[in-house]
Amino acid sequence: GQQVMQIPQYQHVQEGEDFTTYCNSSTTLSNIQWYKQRPGGHPVFLIQLVKSGEVKKQKRLTFQFGEAKKNSSLHITATQTTDVGTYFCAGRFLNTGKLIFGQGTTLQVKP
Amino acid sequence: EPEVTQTPSHQVTQMGQEVILRCVPISNHLYFYWYRQILGQKVEFLVSFYNNEISEKSEIFDDQFSVERPDGSNFTLKIRSTKLEDSAMYFCASSERLAGYNEQFFGPGTRLTVL
Repeated sequence: GQQVMQIPQYQHVQEGEDFTTYCNSSTTLSNIQWYKQRPGGHPVFLIQLVKSGEVKKQKRLTFQFGEAKKNSSLHITATQTTDVGTYFCAGRFLNTGKLIFGQGTTLQVKP
Repeated sequence: EPEVTQTPSHQVTQMGQEVILRCVPISNHLYFYWYRQILGQKVEFLVSFYNNEISEKSEIFDDQFSVERPDGSNFTLKIRSTKLEDSAMYFCASSERLAGYNEQFFGPGTRLTVL
């Protein structure tokens, strides 16, 4: 079936270090969204990427969509304790409206 | 800021019982969704709903599940005969346009515990 794979599952970093999470799909995605879920909270939309090779930035967060629209990444520069949470990618495949979520990457930041 | 609300926040039920989870989507949104998240796992799509009918559903959404928009504001998920494996957090979400085209707003979730 259609799946979106996300790695790593967990990442522990020292405050100030960078962090990256990666998503991959075996088939072409129509677009991909990124969500953040704080511990005990609900997913909160961060961004959507639509175009091949698209790069978007939100302050310290950089989102990329691969040229083949099969992979995406989220990079956080100089992590802060407020970045703690689980980051999910969610891809939409062609000819469907539903979003398929990756397994998520849980980020822990040590002060 | 408008938000999606869900009730109850926590529901405990006995196996085999029926449960109804309630959601009030954002008022001008047209598309509604249910997702579930088993503790520590990923968010899984259950169903999408538009124009008073199901648009799409996953393999999880079998005959035990149903959705309804009984009035102009509520959107409900019913599980007819709960199983232990139905224990999870259930999130309702809504969007102005079809999910995957723009942002979905998630509610705070209902934690369902089946004993």
